[in-house]
Amino acid sequence: ETGVTQSPTHLIKTRGQQVTLRCSSQSGHNTVSWYQQALGQGPQFIFQYYREEENGRGNFPPRFSGLQFPNYSSELNVNALELDDSALYLCASSLPPGRVGSITGELFFGEGSRLTVL
Amino acid sequence: AQKITQTQPGMFVQEKEAVTLDCTYDTSDQSYGLFWYKQPSSGEMIFLIYQGSYDEQNATEGRYSLNFQKARKSANLVISASQLGDSAMYFCAMRQGGKLIFGQGTELSVKP
Repeated sequence: ETGVTQSPTHLIKTRGQQVTLRCSSQSGHNTVSWYQQALGQGPQFIFQYYREEENGRGNFPPRFSGLQFPNYSSELNVNALELDDSALYLCASSLPPGRVGSITGELFFGEGSRLTVL
Repeated sequence: AQKITQTQPGMFVQEKEAVTLDCTYDTSDQSYGLFWYKQPSSGEMIFLIYQGSYDEQNATEGRYSLNFQKARKSANLVISASQLGDSAMYFCAMRQGGKLIFGQGTELSVKP
């Protein structure tokens, strides 16, 4: 286990609704990233937070937003849900590369939140 | 733009045999990092192995090794002595800044 926990594990929403997904990072990790993984695809980068500030964003519309809290936990919010938002949402925590304990900057992932939009 | 290509949607291997999962990448950067992750049906992405572009030796981690051929831009994962628990999706990824770019994945099935 990586120590990264996500909630909820599964949820069903309807088009137009809003959803909030939560992530607790591994102890000591100050960087959190979110990825969207559609069925049969590799994960796609949504955005990253470092010390409560957005620190990079992928090709996702503004209705995808996030927060990082002082304890480094994070939320992903998606407004005006669309059918194509149905996916596994993965949270990953890390230390910046080069830090002690993170030579490579590898990401440690949670088990994801599986969102179905009807 | 950086890109990862995994051309094998699915692979089968007999238990206790070795298997190679292919990965090619495209980048104009001189310094980069390559990762392999395993994703079982539970959904969690499990870090397996890392190769830095300046590393002179191929990375190894237990039964996992990475066959890194820089000139060919390939970073194939070799799993030796396959076990039933190795059945999963495997993703090759490249670091671009603080994010990872993933390939489409290869589904590995280990047969008893």
